[in-house]
Amino acid sequence: DAGVTQSPTHLIKTRGQHVTLRCSPISGHKSVSWYQQVLGQGPQFIFQYYEKEERGRGNFPDRFSARQFPNYSSELNVNALLLGDSALYLCASSGGLAGVSYEQYFGPGTRLTVT
Amino acid sequence: GNSVTQMEGPVTLSEEAFLTINCTYTATGYPSLFWYVQYPGEGLQLLLKATKADDKGSNKGFEATYRKETTSFHLEKGSVQVSDSAVYFCALRGSGNTGKLIFGQGTTLQVKP
Repeated sequence: DAGVTQSPTHLIKTRGQHVTLRCSPISGHKSVSWYQQVLGQGPQFIFQYYEKEERGRGNFPDRFSARQFPNYSSELNVNALLLGDSALYLCASSGGLAGVSYEQYFGPGTRLTVT
Repeated sequence: GNSVTQMEGPVTLSEEAFLTINCTYTATGYPSLFWYVQYPGEGLQLLLKATKADDKGSNKGFEATYRKETTSFHLEKGSVQVSDSAVYFCALRGSGNTGKLIFGQGTTLQVKP
């Protein structure tokens, strides 16, 4: 079975541009979460979506937005890119929000470089 | 708020040495605790977990015990291998109906032959 997939693998953007990152969860999983991992640090929670609704938001500016589609795939959008947005963006999927189904499985990530 | 603190790395060991990576947490209620591993150029893989006090999580020779009295979840392995070289993250999920994970800063382990 396919795991969590993310695209693109790598991306280089210029300050002020906009970027869209994509994630496909494990088949049957209905929840997708996004994390930002700056080099040398642990991942920081950005968003969680479950059944196409936002269920959690981390401490990130409004330049960050996301959505989940009927097939449970998800997009993370970042507007007006800053140099500090350079990071590995990780997507995680889980079956649900409670009990054993909340266990999160991570994708390989998208490496975003802002120049 | 909830937080996780890990021992700073890097940790450098010889093959077959004993490993301990310390992790302590601050949380209200009854969080679930996790160890994730990240190999170079890859995403995170769940290594083990514990969902209540005194639970012991184990996998691939690694173990960690959920100690509520000391708010700790230290990772141990009796005999490390070169292939264990990676970055290890301790994480918690707070009580409540959310999947949000809070991670420590990570500890790099390098095992030399």
